[in-house]
Amino acid sequence: DAGVIQSPRHEVTEMGQEVTLRCKPISGHNSLFWYRQTMMRGLELLIYFNNNVPIDDSGMPEDRFSAKMPNASFSTLKIQPSEPRDSAVYFCASGTGFDNQPQHFGDGTRLSIL
Amino acid sequence: DQQVKQNSPSLSVQEGRISILNCDYTNSMFDYFLWYKKYPAEGPTFLISISSIKDKNEDGRFTVFLNKSAKHLSLHIVPSQPGDSAVYFCAASAIGTSGSRLTFGEGTQLTVNP
Repeated sequence: DAGVIQSPRHEVTEMGQEVTLRCKPISGHNSLFWYRQTMMRGLELLIYFNNNVPIDDSGMPEDRFSAKMPNASFSTLKIQPSEPRDSAVYFCASGTGFDNQPQHFGDGTRLSIL
Repeated sequence: DQQVKQNSPSLSVQEGRISILNCDYTNSMFDYFLWYKKYPAEGPTFLISISSIKDKNEDGRFTVFLNKSAKHLSLHIVPSQPGDSAVYFCAASAIGTSGSRLTFGEGTQLTVNP
């Protein structure tokens, strides 16, 4: 029973480079969420999708961040250009889209921008 | 504005004793509450939840209590086991926020000593 799959697990890159994080949600789930975890801000929601449509991107820190969900089984979070302050663990989660149902998380991507 | 707060960053208990983790919230629109457990280098794992129409939900060694008037919930683990050592996150959502959009607390590191 596959859970949420994220890749890569770790990414180290230099400032200014483009970074692409990938997520495969649980099959049959209609909602997908991107979170970022940092020491300063904890777990914060960046953006979420319902039925592949972005619903709320108010958590996206700035225009350097973008997210897409071209189909029900794949989503990307892109940072271009990357900066050292983007270093964090990025989690993807999926859910049924119904109220009172838990989200299920992937194991995250640990991103380090040098 | 931290709408979900876990005031204790850490808690240490002896194996076999009860662990009590606390969480407070400010948004009266929240009506569904969850606890997640997180081990290092893994994503948060759903543990237990409670709807605002209830004041208690039990699942094995885990019980969540909700006090709506005080805007407070707690997670009881009894008996505590060393494998319960992890970071515990409290989360909340509100009906009308398109399914299960969650707001997380800062987390509490639980250490269960053998």
